Amino acid sequence: EAGVAQSPRYKIIEKRQSVAFWCNPISGHATLYWYQQILGQGPKLLIQFQNNGVVDDSQLPKDRFSAERLKGVDSTLKIQPAKLEDSAVYLCASSLVLAGGPNNEQFFGPGTRLTVL
Amino acid sequence: AQSVTQLGSHVSVSEGALVLLRCNYSSSVPPYLFWYVQYPNQGLQLLLKYTTGATLVKGINGFEAEFKKSETSFHLTKPSAHMSDAAEYFCAGGGLTGGGNKLTFGTGTQLKVEL
Repeated sequence: EAGVAQSPRYKIIEKRQSVAFWCNPISGHATLYWYQQILGQGPKLLIQFQNNGVVDDSQLPKDRFSAERLKGVDSTLKIQPAKLEDSAVYLCASSLVLAGGPNNEQFFGPGTRLTVL
Repeated sequence: AQSVTQLGSHVSVSEGALVLLRCNYSSSVPPYLFWYVQYPNQGLQLLLKYTTGATLVKGINGFEAEFKKSETSFHLTKPSAHMSDAAEYFCAGGGLTGGGNKLTFGTGTQLKVEL
């Protein structure tokens, strides 16, 4: 089965510019997650969707970050305007059910490495 | 705040030696616990998970982990390291008290395997 797809794999932008990342989850997976992984740290959940509804966006910096999953399949994460501290790998993951459950597994994409200069 | 702590950001072992990566969780309720591996420029791959039942969990690539409630630990081990095990390893907890349904990751341990 095809895995989680993400694009682009790498992106370099100047601060104050905008950037968007795309994620296509595994077919049939209702739950989609966006994580931010700063160098030397573990992934931090930014936002979690169940189908096209937001389950948790408590750690999403909403003044500059936005995400959508309009048709309940693929998703886009946007940063506008970017700051230097946004330099990180942005990981997308999907699962059949909500995270943390006993029979759940999150499948991760390869990530997008963002460098903000 | 509930958390997952990985002791040692870098661990170095010789090929063929025992691998021990440490993970402790902070929760009054036993959580669901996971170990993920991340190879360079790749996403995270699940190694193993503990949900309920048997406290010794076996995973892929010869790894296993033991859930010890009394020590709030979930250390990852492998009897004999191989060069291909060199990667970053993340412990994560789900269902941590106050954490809702999301996974909380530790800061990761970089494993180096030397000849």
